[in-house]
Amino acid sequence: GNSVTQMEGPVTLSEEAFLTINCTYTATGYPSLFWYVQYPGEGLQLLLKATKADDKGSNKGFEATYRKETTSFHLEKGSVQVSDSAVYFCALSPGNTPLVFGKGTRLSVIA
Amino acid sequence: TAGITQAPTSQILAAGRSMTLRCTQDMRHNAMYWYRQDLGLGLRLIHYSNTAGTTGKGEVPDGYSVSRANTDDFPLTLASAVPSQTSVYFCASSESGADTQYFGPGTRLTVL
Repeated sequence: GNSVTQMEGPVTLSEEAFLTINCTYTATGYPSLFWYVQYPGEGLQLLLKATKADDKGSNKGFEATYRKETTSFHLEKGSVQVSDSAVYFCALSPGNTPLVFGKGTRLSVIA
Repeated sequence: TAGITQAPTSQILAAGRSMTLRCTQDMRHNAMYWYRQDLGLGLRLIHYSNTAGTTGKGEVPDGYSVSRANTDDFPLTLASAVPSQTSVYFCASSESGADTQYFGPGTRLTVL
């Protein structure tokens, strides 16, 4: 079946630290991959996506590369800010069916 | 553009009562979804609709029903609420089943 596994949080970093949130997936075929972010008290919003192997999605300083050989889509940011504190969800789209989400990773950035 | 609106924002409901959570989108998206979000469990899909007139069951459909009479609206009904349905409910939409989903602000439901 289709599934997403992401690292458990919470993750606490100091401002300007490097961020990595790991995400691996299991899927049949060639899914599209997504990272969503949820700020406190809000719904999820798309952060970035990649639709095929070796694609790199990027937005707001965040990046993730679709690695078919390792079935991974790790989220990275070189220098986090307090405003990046949120819950991050990795997700995949296996085709013409609903997205499959990971359980989310809470990030707290302290000044 | 409003995107997706949900109502109510929050609600406290007595066990055994019925409730309909409303969701409306103005993006003319074909597909719509209902999720519940519980601490430590991430998002779980309740029901979805790939196009007006069709619906499908997600991971946790029991105790919930949906209808999709038109493109814009996708109400979620709890016929007889139970405390385990206490959660935050999110509605989402996408152009098709494989596309980026856009989420509403959520409804916080407490069943006592």
